[in-house]
Amino acid sequence: NFMLAQPHSVSESPGKTVTISCTRSSGSIASSYVQWYQQRPGSAPTTVIYEDDQRPSGVPDRFSGSIDSSSNSASLTISGLKTEDEADYYCQSYDSTFFWVFGGGTKLTVL
Amino acid sequence: QVQLQQSGPGLVKPSQTLSLTCAISGDSVSSNTIAWNWIRQSPSRGLEWLGRTYYSRSKWYYDYALSVKSRITINPDTSKNQFSLQLNSVTPEDTAVYYCAAMVRGLFDPWGQGTLVTVTS
Repeated sequence: NFMLAQPHSVSESPGKTVTISCTRSSGSIASSYVQWYQQRPGSAPTTVIYEDDQRPSGVPDRFSGSIDSSSNSASLTISGLKTEDEADYYCQSYDSTFFWVFGGGTKLTVL
Repeated sequence: QVQLQQSGPGLVKPSQTLSLTCAISGDSVSSNTIAWNWIRQSPSRGLEWLGRTYYSRSKWYYDYALSVKSRITINPDTSKNQFSLQLNSVTPEDTAVYYCAAMVRGLFDPWGQGTLVTVTS
């Protein structure tokens, strides 16, 4: 089994930059693409980053993704924070045995 | 673009079968490029992928999560352009919000609106 570990919560002020990590417990982070989803209360998740660092159309360029093989982790960075960015964020990747695995989610508070 | 609309009961008794349907618009359930998935979300288990079906080279394929493999069936319905989830022998631990979702190239997008299913007697 592999897991994707995320911090339970992060908080930052409007206008600042925040980074959310997603660490893969076994296997290489680079072996499968990582996706990031944003979920607001009462709504289904929506994609903010796919294939490690690609942004869907309509997602502001304040959102960026990366992977770091040395720490076996992926990161979602949100710059110029806005109150509307306050949400839960989930990373997701793939394993040939367990198929698609999600991280536990990170609650972003913009205060 | 693809849109998904879920339907099904929100209450199921323990030991019975949970059944949900996901109606597809904007594409075909027989698409060669899209896999059709069920995912659930609960406070205790977070987001959990349950399974998928997809059509390729004139054949239907099915993959299921190990945690539910003995109890789950996902079926496409080409006549109604939809797919369904059946989860047998449910317990209160199966209480969750259930989502259907399309997948292309490893990305779940879009998702259905979600259905809260509560398992209770």
